[in-house]
Amino acid sequence: AQSVSQHNHHVILSEAASLELGCNYSYGGTVNLFWYVQYPGQHLQLLLKYFSGDPLVKGIKGFEAEFIKSKFSFNLRKPSVQWSDTAEYFCAVKERAGGTSYGKLTFGQGTILTVHP
Amino acid sequence: DAGITQSPRHKVTETGTPVTLRCHQTENHRYMYWYRQDPGHGLRLIHYSYGVKDTDKGEVSDGYSVSRSKTEDFLLTLESATSSQTSVYFCAIKPGQGVENEQFFGPGTRLTVL
Repeated sequence: AQSVSQHNHHVILSEAASLELGCNYSYGGTVNLFWYVQYPGQHLQLLLKYFSGDPLVKGIKGFEAEFIKSKFSFNLRKPSVQWSDTAEYFCAVKERAGGTSYGKLTFGQGTILTVHP
Repeated sequence: DAGITQSPRHKVTETGTPVTLRCHQTENHRYMYWYRQDPGHGLRLIHYSYGVKDTDKGEVSDGYSVSRSKTEDFLLTLESATSSQTSVYFCAIKPGQGVENEQFFGPGTRLTVL
């Protein structure tokens, strides 16, 4: 079965520091990849997504992610974090096998990001 | 917010009682999902629906059932709640037919089983 692994459970940074959150998945076929963010007390919101084409995708709020197929990775990056980026971040993967996955997502365990002013 | 509401938003119940959570959407999307969120596990799919009366199991479906008699409502039932079902439950929808579309999530229901 598909699995998604996020390497860091809790990351603590100061404002203006650079961020990279790791995400690896196990499925060897075609995948769609997503990063979602959950701000304290809120529901999940989409940060960015990759379906095909340029493996470097840009999302909202200055986030970007790079799909490296050979490494089964989709790491999230931001050059300079802000206090308002404090949230939990989830990587998610959708298999494209046969085109009938019904859109099911497999999520990683989540990474809590705390940014100190 | 993609027109998704969940009710109730918070519920405390006792072990052994039945519980039904409701997800309501206003835009007639075909695909709907129920997830539970637990610390250290991310979100895990419980059940999903690809149309009225068309549902299937996800990875953690034991102890849960679902029903979808109308496009707009997707109900999640815990037939006999257990403490291990204490969690935050999120409903999601996926617009359109395209496999490329992302899911949008509701505000969540925090369920505590004592």
